[in-house]
Amino acid sequence: EIVMTQSPATLSVSPGERATLSCRASQSVSSNLAWYQQKPGQAPRLLIYGASTRATGIPARFSGSGSGTEFTLTISSLQSEDFAVYYCQQYNNWPPGAFGGGTKVEIK
Amino acid sequence: EVQLVESGGGLVQPGGSLRLSCAASGFTVSSNYMSWVRQAPGKGLEWVSVIYSGGSTYYADSVKGRFTISRHNSKNTLYLQMNSLRAEDTAVYYCARGWIQLPFDYWGQGTLVTVSS
Repeated sequence: EIVMTQSPATLSVSPGERATLSCRASQSVSSNLAWYQQKPGQAPRLLIYGASTRATGIPARFSGSGSGTEFTLTISSLQSEDFAVYYCQQYNNWPPGAFGGGTKVEIK
Repeated sequence: EVQLVESGGGLVQPGGSLRLSCAASGFTVSSNYMSWVRQAPGKGLEWVSVIYSGGSTYYADSVKGRFTISRHNSKNTLYLQMNSLRAEDTAVYYCARGWIQLPFDYWGQGTLVTVSS
């Protein structure tokens, strides 16, 4: 079973700064990697799929990269509404419901 | 517009049962992979179950033999029957569209299940 590992667990960033989140898979997931944003009391929202394709309505400041086992989510200039928890998830290998443990992006 | 609306959560005693519903609009449940994902208080996301368009079903080991996923095609609704509930099943349960080769692109708002005496 694939294990998804996210780092860091918490990222403290000032508004306007760049945030870089990492996700590692225990074995290759090709480019079948998604990123989700979750705010308190809300459902997760799909941000990125296919490792680098933004979902509908997602601002261009969010970008994803990587393939195989190493992935990165970058938020180029953090806005107040971006402070949230971010999860990666692989949907390539069985079982495809493997999520990472999450990275909390908090205000510095 | 695609929408998923869960219902059926609540407080139940250990060993009890509960049935969750997820009413979909804007797309056809029976033509898609539909999953249940849960989130224990303060914890991360855990996939629970999936039903394929062809009707095949799969479960996480943690719920296998206790939970049953199903759908009602004419009501365009997904269900999760939960039996023999345990304290560790306490979580917000989300329905979501997606599975292998497809991300979870639409999510419901979630319904809270609390298992406690």
